[in-house]
Amino acid sequence: DSGVTQTPKHLITATGQRVTLRCSPRSGDLSVYWYQQSLDQGLQFLIQYYNGEERAKGNILERFSAQQFPDLHSELNLSSLELGDSALYFCASSPGLLNEQFFGPGTRLTVL
Amino acid sequence: KNEVEQSPQNLTAQEGEFITINCSYSVGISALHWLQQHPGGGIVSLFMLSSGKKKHGRLIATINIQEKHSSLHITASHPRDSAVYICAVSHKGAQKLVFGQGTRLTINP
Repeated sequence: DSGVTQTPKHLITATGQRVTLRCSPRSGDLSVYWYQQSLDQGLQFLIQYYNGEERAKGNILERFSAQQFPDLHSELNLSSLELGDSALYFCASSPGLLNEQFFGPGTRLTVL
Repeated sequence: KNEVEQSPQNLTAQEGEFITINCSYSVGISALHWLQQHPGGGIVSLFMLSSGKKKHGRLIATINIQEKHSSLHITASHPRDSAVYICAVSHKGAQKLVFGQGTRLTINP
């Protein structure tokens, strides 16, 4: 158990819908990272927050947004969902900016 | 060409064999990470290294910064080592990870 929690574990929804994925980092960790793992693209970095502020952005679609709250938990919002958004979404946390990252169990999103 | 290349893509071995997985990268990095992904999907961080060698139990990771190459070794392999091993790098001055495609390791009893 890494200490990073993600909810829900599984999510099944329809095209066009909007979902919110939630991540609670390890106690004391200030950085939160979001990653997408799809069958054809492998693992890809989406976005990073550090102590409430966006620090780095990867290949995140405009339909996706994220935020980190004062209690340091983070949410990833996916809207206007498409079939191709079906993937595993991982959250990871680290104490600071250049530390080892600890991964949550992931949320498996299926868009039908 | 991917920024992070792993080899082999698939590896099958017998229990007890010495395993080596290789990772090459093409840009300057601040650190290299080795991750293990279990069949259930969970990802575990094995090592983060920026120079030299690290050892944890039966796992050893080495990195050669000049040659932009890292290896992950598993000694006395066991069926429970069966997983996908992923190499990832973080660029200098950046925090995001760039991932290799992974090596699927199967250890047969």
